[in-house]
Amino acid sequence: EDQVTQSPEALRLQEGESSSLNCSYTVSGLRGLFWYRQDPGKGPEFLFTLYSAGEEKEKERLKATLTKKESFLHITAPKPEDSATYLCAVQAWGYQKVTFGIGTKLQVIP
Amino acid sequence: DAGVIQSPRHEVTEMGQEVTLRCKPISGHNSLFWYRQTMMRGLELLIYFNNNVPIDDSGMPEDRFSAKMPNASFSTLKIQPSEPRDSAVYFCASSLRPLTGGQHSNQPQHFGDGTRLSIL
Repeated sequence: EDQVTQSPEALRLQEGESSSLNCSYTVSGLRGLFWYRQDPGKGPEFLFTLYSAGEEKEKERLKATLTKKESFLHITAPKPEDSATYLCAVQAWGYQKVTFGIGTKLQVIP
Repeated sequence: DAGVIQSPRHEVTEMGQEVTLRCKPISGHNSLFWYRQTMMRGLELLIYFNNNVPIDDSGMPEDRFSAKMPNASFSTLKIQPSEPRDSAVYFCASSLRPLTGGQHSNQPQHFGDGTRLSIL
């Protein structure tokens, strides 16, 4: 069974204080790893798809990286508007089902 | 572009009542997913459809839950009878299922803003 574990559960940063969120996964053949952002009262919003170890993708202050066992979401010089819950999900080859982690709740304080 | 539209946004009802949640996927998307989100378990897939046909309903908790997709632009998730443990946020998502199976043909799921369901 596919599993996704995210850490930490919650993270509080000062504005400008860079950090990383972790997503550890086990999957029977990774087809894709997804990162989503979820704001309170909203549905998850797609950020990135990563396909193979060594791949990196960037969007504004966010950079996602992938190894064979985990993915990191690096946040550089965060701003209060980056506060949200960040979800990681994996999809195995041959399946459409996507398995989500519980998420990391990020709070960026001005 | 209109995203995935869910209704109602909030539903409060008494135990034993029938609950119907509605979803309109993004036009042109041919896959539709129903999820339930709780603090303890996160996002759990309940059922998904391809081209209006149910493909995998193994996540549906029990026979009290049913889902239909009568056409490409509408789906419902029904709970009858409802119980307090069904209280959660229910999300609908849609995606474009690629014709080819290549890795980079993977299409992300796009979510609605959910229905917050409270069963008293």
